[in-house]
Amino acid sequence: SAVISQKPSRDICQRGTSLTIQCQVDSQVTMMFWYRQQPGQSLTLIATANQGSEATYESGFVIDKFPISRPNLTFSTLTVSNMSPEDSSIYLCSVASEAFFGQGTRLTVV
Amino acid sequence: TQLLEQSPQFLSIQEGENLTVYCNSSSVFSSLQWYRQEPGEGPVLLVTVVTGGEVKKLKRLTFQFGDARKDSSLHITAAQPGDTGLYLCAGVKTSGTYKYIFGTGTRLKVLA
Repeated sequence: SAVISQKPSRDICQRGTSLTIQCQVDSQVTMMFWYRQQPGQSLTLIATANQGSEATYESGFVIDKFPISRPNLTFSTLTVSNMSPEDSSIYLCSVASEAFFGQGTRLTVV
Repeated sequence: TQLLEQSPQFLSIQEGENLTVYCNSSSVFSSLQWYRQEPGEGPVLLVTVVTGGEVKKLKRLTFQFGDARKDSSLHITAAQPGDTGLYLCAGVKTSGTYKYIFGTGTRLKVLA
């Protein structure tokens, strides 16, 4: 099983600012996924991040708003840019095949 | 957009009752997974079903994958307060890009 650590676990941010969320895995994985979970809702896939290539974004999500880095096989970051209150959500990273999730980052934008 | 619809959306039952949660789609999936998520935590994988018609049991939980691999059900026998949580199904697509499509979720509350 993979152990996934996310930082920060929660944050309260001012609108217009950006927040970078880190996801660290204790083993090398090819694919990492970033999800958003709005209050009381299910998970929506933002993008798939493969090491050495640009992330693949799902419909409704764009790189300018959610830039992703994947510098190596154990780490990824998701940035939520120019935040608005509508970005208040839980953001989760996950690894493929075994579908392990981090505990998530609870973001509140005020 | 590939949708996985779960029903019911909310369920509040008494301890000891049985319940079934359904997960339906018009898409075929390579496999389907069920998760439970508790407040402040990420989803935790309960089971993966791969073969059409497959049935898996996990203590009081019974999972079934539809014959056509488009739908699934989760049955809980003699529910307990510890079963309370958000239940999510997720279909796995391996054609094209590998991805998980999550269902709309079922929020279960079991009252003591």
